[in-house]
Amino acid sequence: QVQLQESGPGLVKPSETLALTCTVSGGSVSGGGHYWSWIRQPPGEGPEWIGYIHHSGGTNYKPSLKSRVTISIDTSKNQFSLRLTSVTAADTAIYYCARDGGFSPQLEYWGQGALVTVSS
Amino acid sequence: EVVLTQSPGTLSLSPGEGATLSCRASQTISISYLAWYQQKPGQAPRLLIYGASGRATGIPDRFSGSGSGTDFTLTISRLEPEDFAVYYCQYYGSSRYTFGQGTKLEIK
Repeated sequence: QVQLQESGPGLVKPSETLALTCTVSGGSVSGGGHYWSWIRQPPGEGPEWIGYIHHSGGTNYKPSLKSRVTISIDTSKNQFSLRLTSVTAADTAIYYCARDGGFSPQLEYWGQGALVTVSS
Repeated sequence: EVVLTQSPGTLSLSPGEGATLSCRASQTISISYLAWYQQKPGQAPRLLIYGASGRATGIPDRFSGSGSGTDFTLTISRLEPEDFAVYYCQYYGSSRYTFGQGTKLEIK
């Protein structure tokens, strides 16, 4: 059973960089041709996809966030990471990492989520 | 960009009743890329339906999905107490994911 776990600071100051890591167990970030996503959910709102990465290093980001987002992958540690620069209070959310179905894009596995608050 | 609009915003029903949740896309979309998720407080979304009508592993058969074109439906027959939650539809297209705003299913 694939499991994902987010980790990183729960509090980030405005204008600084949010950095989170997703550690994958029960499966390899290198196998199966999967795409590994970051999704966020502001309090009381619906989910918002941020972007994804393939083990080859190929990425795709939500256009409105593209200028501030970088997703990277470390196959040796079986992890992938999110960096979001120049954060504001609007970036306060629960951040989830997730994996697709391989041959189909539905998000089959999710981490439990990590709350990140942007505040001074 | 495809926009997904879910209705109603809130649905109040009693256990044992049936529920019909709607998801309308702003343009015709492929059924292969339409999914439904359930989210309970403090939990991550859980995949229920993929490809518009396929049930994910472990999902009870009281959950079913249907639809095509721009109109899609999640049907829950015989509501159980654990079914009261928020439900989201989601589309994958043009190499990106889009979510609807959600329908809250609450106990009447």
